[in-house]
Amino acid sequence: AQRVTQPEKLLSVFKGAPVELKCNYSYSGSPELFWYVQYSRQRLQLLLRHISRESIKGFTADLNKGETSFHLKKPFAQEEDSAMYYCALSGGMADKLIFGTGTRLQVFP
Amino acid sequence: DAGVTQSPTHLIKTRGQQVTLRCSPKSGHDTVSWYQQALGQGPQFIFQYYEEEERQRGNFPDRFSGHQFPNYSSELNVNALLLGDSALYLCASSPKDRRPSYEQYFGPGTRLTVT
Repeated sequence: AQRVTQPEKLLSVFKGAPVELKCNYSYSGSPELFWYVQYSRQRLQLLLRHISRESIKGFTADLNKGETSFHLKKPFAQEEDSAMYYCALSGGMADKLIFGTGTRLQVFP
Repeated sequence: DAGVTQSPTHLIKTRGQQVTLRCSPKSGHDTVSWYQQALGQGPQFIFQYYEEEERQRGNFPDRFSGHQFPNYSSELNVNALLLGDSALYLCASSPKDRRPSYEQYFGPGTRLTVT
């Protein structure tokens, strides 16, 4: 079965603390993995994708095929990082996106 | 470019009624996907349209149907509305370049409430 699991509904940290949002997936084949973010009153937007191996706004995510995980990390959280984060996968080449249930990140001053 | 636009923003319908939601893709995009996002859940894929045809479909009943027009805009129709159809409906478009790891651009959504 194709599935994305985000075990934490809410993650609260203080500004400057490290952040790790967990994502595990189940997929037969080689999926494309993404992190999407939704800031308050804004639309869902792509944060980063595993194939690009990029760091966006200080966030990174490494695909671990052995553990079927794609955790999102940031060494020092900022208040503006407070948002809803969704992990998603696709089979590539315009395939549908399968989303997790999301994790709300709250960063306190 | 306004990006992906959706109309209406909000909609209230009664059980048993029918509803049509509209989506205009981002300029240069030819593929439109629809998602349903229930409260507290992640978006769930409904179906995808490309070249005016339904290309992929998620686990949704036939009450959910769609259409894509020659200008790539799309409609989502839901018949015989149920209370459980209350959700945020998201439209996403993607570019003509069908390379791997393409990005889907999302609209602001239409909030449907069924009473």
